[in-house]
Amino acid sequence: GGIITQTPKFLIGQEGQKLTLKCQQNFNHDTMYWYRQDSGKGLRLIYYSITENDLQKGDLSEGYDASREKKSSFSLTVTSAQKNEMAVFLCASSILGGAGAETLYFGSGTRLTVL
Amino acid sequence: AQSVTQPDARVTVSEGASLQLRCKYSYSGTPYLFWYVQYPRQGLQLLLKYYSGDPVVQGVNGFEAEFSKSNSSFHLRKASVHWSDSAVYFCVLSATGNTGKLIFGLGTTLQVQP
Repeated sequence: GGIITQTPKFLIGQEGQKLTLKCQQNFNHDTMYWYRQDSGKGLRLIYYSITENDLQKGDLSEGYDASREKKSSFSLTVTSAQKNEMAVFLCASSILGGAGAETLYFGSGTRLTVL
Repeated sequence: AQSVTQPDARVTVSEGASLQLRCKYSYSGTPYLFWYVQYPRQGLQLLLKYYSGDPVVQGVNGFEAEFSKSNSSFHLRKASVHWSDSAVYFCVLSATGNTGKLIFGLGTTLQVQP
């Protein structure tokens, strides 16, 4: 089986700071995703990528940049951290990204706190 | 508009009791539906999925779900819960066949009491 590794597990930043979250997968999946999970709001898609160097915006892309330089890695940058922001960022992958019944495989998350 | 509603934010049951977690969806076509589970401090894991055929689908760890087009529902069931089933359960809809357009419910937190 494969695994999705997210680093760091915990991230503490200052207001206005640029912060980068990293995700690695060894499933050899084509598609990777970044979701934001807020308490009481479920999961919201920030960016996804269907192949190396591809980027697709999700519903929550404003305030974020993403990069997929290799098939196995997908990074997310918070361009300017918002004061008192707290959320969990989940990375996921799937085999293709185009079929509706695909399973998503998730990492364990990066917990962001902005002071 | 497509949406997923999980009407119960929190459910508490006793160990060994039966369980039903409710999910209602809104979509005019034939949906792809999933249940994912999130254990504390972990990512989500697939429990089961439905996209055609028998409306009752079996999943891992004794979970099953029943799709009802007439009721626009996809309720999750388990005959006898264990304390280790305590987690957050998400109902998920894929309406367009595009995995980039998954719609997540807000989740139901299940607490199993010993």
